[in-house]
Amino acid sequence: QQKVQQSPESLTVSEGAMASLNCTFSDGTSNNFRWYRQHSAKGLEVLVSIFSDGEKEEGRFTAHLNRANLHVSLHIREPQPSDSAVYLCAVSTGNTGKLIFGLGTTLQVQP
Amino acid sequence: NSKVIQTPRYLVKGQGQKAKMRCIPEKGHPVVFWYQQNKNNEFKFLINFQNQEVLQQIDMTEKRFSAECPSNSPCSLEIQSSEAGDSALYLCASRRNQDTQYFGPGTRLLVL
Repeated sequence: QQKVQQSPESLTVSEGAMASLNCTFSDGTSNNFRWYRQHSAKGLEVLVSIFSDGEKEEGRFTAHLNRANLHVSLHIREPQPSDSAVYLCAVSTGNTGKLIFGLGTTLQVQP
Repeated sequence: NSKVIQTPRYLVKGQGQKAKMRCIPEKGHPVVFWYQQNKNNEFKFLINFQNQEVLQQIDMTEKRFSAECPSNSPCSLEIQSSEAGDSALYLCASRRNQDTQYFGPGTRLLVL
């Protein structure tokens, strides 16, 4: 059974400072990794999707995947107060598309 | 960035009552997923469809939960006899085949 864990549980950064979030997964055959964010229990907004080891950039959001270490991270460049939200790591395996989510990292960006 | 529509946004039911929520996937997205997000941020996959056919569903869904995605009508998720533990945010997502899932705003169900 896939387990997805995120750290830290919460993170406070100043506006403009880099924010780094971590996600580990247990199933080494996982092949789809996505970062979503959720503002105040609303719907999820997709930020970055990554499928192979290395780096993927989407605007100010960069994901790094290292499947050997069962680790995927998200880095937010020049975060703004409007980036304050819960960031969710989602992993899927095979072709079902079913996503397994971590519990999220709550990010607070202070002006 | 998502065009998935979910209604209603909020739903309040008494224990034992039926609760029904609807989802209109993005145009051109044949695959639809339903997830339950509880107050502890735990996500649970419930069921997914490709066009009108069920692809996968969990055991819980087979008992009190039912879902369908008829052609030319919104998809729906119905809880036959609501329980307090069903209180959660129900999220619908859609995607093209093998692509990113795009989520709707969710239906927040409160069972009193």
